[in-house]
Amino acid sequence: AQSVTQLDSQVPVFEEAPVELRCNYSSSVPPYLFWYVQYPNQGLQLLLKYLSGSTLVKGINGFEAEFKKSETSFHLTKPSAHMSDAAEYFCAVSDSGGYNKLIFGAGTRLAVHP
Amino acid sequence: SAVISQKPSRDICQRGTSLTIQCQVDSQVTMMFWYRQQPGQSLTLIATANQGSEATYESGFVIDKFPISRPNLTFSTLTVSNMSPEDSSIYLCSVARTGANTEAFFGQGTRLTVV
Repeated sequence: AQSVTQLDSQVPVFEEAPVELRCNYSSSVPPYLFWYVQYPNQGLQLLLKYLSGSTLVKGINGFEAEFKKSETSFHLTKPSAHMSDAAEYFCAVSDSGGYNKLIFGAGTRLAVHP
Repeated sequence: SAVISQKPSRDICQRGTSLTIQCQVDSQVTMMFWYRQQPGQSLTLIATANQGSEATYESGFVIDKFPISRPNLTFSTLTVSNMSPEDSSIYLCSVARTGANTEAFFGQGTRLTVV
């Protein structure tokens, strides 16, 4: 069975500081990996996804993530945080190779301080 | 992309009653899913809504508690039956099309409080 571990429940950063949200996965097959963002009282929005090919994936709002198979990781990064980035971030992996049915990590709350 | 409308957006219900949540998509989609997000927690898949056949439930979820309908390729309902306070959660509808480079889209969710 596939699983996702988000190592930090909360990550505080100062505005304009770099951001890294960590995600590790477990999968017996090549994974499809996703990062979603959830703003307060809203649904989930896809930030980026890795299906195959280049291991460095660029997403919306300046975020990117790198798939590292040897480390079974898919950490989300951004060079400079904005106040508007404050939200809950979820890492997800597809189940059984079908990348529509998702298994989510516990989530990481990004807090951005002025 | 897909625009998903979920109704109601929120509700407060008495224990022992049932609530039906609707999910309407602006275009035909192959896959529809229902997730639950308990307070302060991540999303857990309840079931896959199959058009024209019974839903496929994940471990820990049963049809008697969460009956699902999917009469066509743009609409689905989830009923939370015989509610208890433990059912207080956000329920989210998700849709996707099969094929390369697709993604799962999410509705804004239904915030349910059971008192």
